Amino acid sequence: EVQVVESGGGLVQPGGSLRLSCAASGFTFSSYWMGWVRQVPGKGLQWVATINFDGSEKYYVDSVKGRFTISRDNAENSLYLQMSSLRADDTAVYHCARLVMHTSDFWGQGALVTVSS
Amino acid sequence: DVVMTQSPLSLPVTLGQPASISCRSSQSLVHSDGNTYVIWFQQRPGQSPRRLLYEVYKRDSGVPDRFSGSGSGTDFTLKISRVEAEDVGVYYCMQGTHWPWTFGQGTKVEIK
Repeated sequence: EVQVVESGGGLVQPGGSLRLSCAASGFTFSSYWMGWVRQVPGKGLQWVATINFDGSEKYYVDSVKGRFTISRDNAENSLYLQMSSLRADDTAVYHCARLVMHTSDFWGQGALVTVSS
Repeated sequence: DVVMTQSPLSLPVTLGQPASISCRSSQSLVHSDGNTYVIWFQQRPGQSPRRLLYEVYKRDSGVPDRFSGSGSGTDFTLKISRVEAEDVGVYYCMQGTHWPWTFGQGTKVEIK
C-alpha cells in the first residue's frame, strides 16, 4: 500500500525556520519525482516545490524561492522541505505528493505549519 | 503563471442528477510533447485531495465511470453523470503543463 506520512509541522514565529519530513513506503521511492503542495485551511491549493529522482533537478514557486529548499534521501525513502524566513502567508497544511507524468497521483494527509507571533 | 478559472464555485445538485464543472486556463495547456496535462481532484471533507482524472479524460483506477473529463486547449469540463451522496466535496482542476503547476479555486458540490 502506497503511503506518505508528513511530520515536522508546528507553530513558528515570523522569520523562523522549520523542516518538514515525508516518510514514503509501499513504492520504489527512487523511481518517482516528489513534491510539496500547500493548502491554506478552507482555501485553495498551491504547488510549492518539486524534485526529480536523484535530487539533481528542483523547481520552486516564485514566492518561496531563496527561502525553501526541497531535498530527498533515497536510502531513507524520505523527502524534506527546509523552510526559512517564514512569513504569515506561509501558514498552510503542507502535503507531500508522489508525482508522475506532470501530476501527482498520491498525497499525504499533510502537516500544519502556523506562522504567528 | 497560468490562471485556472473554475465555474461555478458552488454547485447544489439533486441526487441522481448530472453535474458539470468548467475550468478555463489563461493559456493553452498543450505541452510541447503533445499531451495536455489537465487533472481533476476530489477533496472530500476532512480528507486530502484524491486524483480522479488526468490528461483531460483518463480515469484513475477505482474512479466510477460516472466521472468523465473533456476539453482541449484552454477549456475543460468535469461531468458527473448521476450525482451520488459520496460525491459531496470540493473539486479542483489543475494544470501540469507549465511550471508552476496551478489549481483552480475549487468547486463545492453539495446535495440540495
